[in-house]
Amino acid sequence: NAGVTQTPKFQVLKTGQSMTLQCAQDMNHEYMSWYRQDPGMGLRLIHYSVGAGITDQGEVPNGYNVSRSTTEDFPLRLLSAAPSQTSVYFCASSYSGGGRESYEQYFGPGTRLTVT
Amino acid sequence: GDSVTQMEGPVTLSEEAFLTINCTYTATGYPSLFWYVQYPGEGLQLLLKATKADDKGSNKGFEATYRKETTSFHLEKGSVQVSDSAVYFCALRSNKLVFGAGTILRVKS
Repeated sequence: NAGVTQTPKFQVLKTGQSMTLQCAQDMNHEYMSWYRQDPGMGLRLIHYSVGAGITDQGEVPNGYNVSRSTTEDFPLRLLSAAPSQTSVYFCASSYSGGGRESYEQYFGPGTRLTVT
Repeated sequence: GDSVTQMEGPVTLSEEAFLTINCTYTATGYPSLFWYVQYPGEGLQLLLKATKADDKGSNKGFEATYRKETTSFHLEKGSVQVSDSAVYFCALRSNKLVFGAGTILRVKS
């Protein structure tokens, strides 16, 4: 198993540009999520999905879109990049996301995004 | 809403020293509790977990006990190694996974 894969590893955008961060998992996990990691703030949830065709907003969804057309893929789209979106982005997946299940979240290696 | 508070770092220790990283939480209901570790340049990995009060999670010499009365889940290790240098995140899951800010640990040889 490749686990959770993310592309690209690094990206530099100009303000106003759009792009898509790719995330894929080969573990047949129902639950997938996107986080951003900023210094001193831990990981903050952007969007998540409990299965194909179902997505919902997390803590910081503004400026980002997601879709889940297949179980394997969960791309994150930046609609019009802003310097405040400079961050490290992590995709994660697990068997289930509802309730207080203790299933382990598997994280991808991250995408470091800089918006100038 | 649910939240996790961790001690601020960085924490700098000599090899073989005792480690404690404090974590307290606020949540409705009875969340599951986790410690994740992030090594330089990598994503997060689950270190240990506990799903109910008084459970002790342990892995690689680290341990943490779910204390409902003090809403705490402190991470401990009896003798740290240089290879333990990383960022440690406390997290809880009730209906969503919520992370603390992370604590940087540096271990000197």
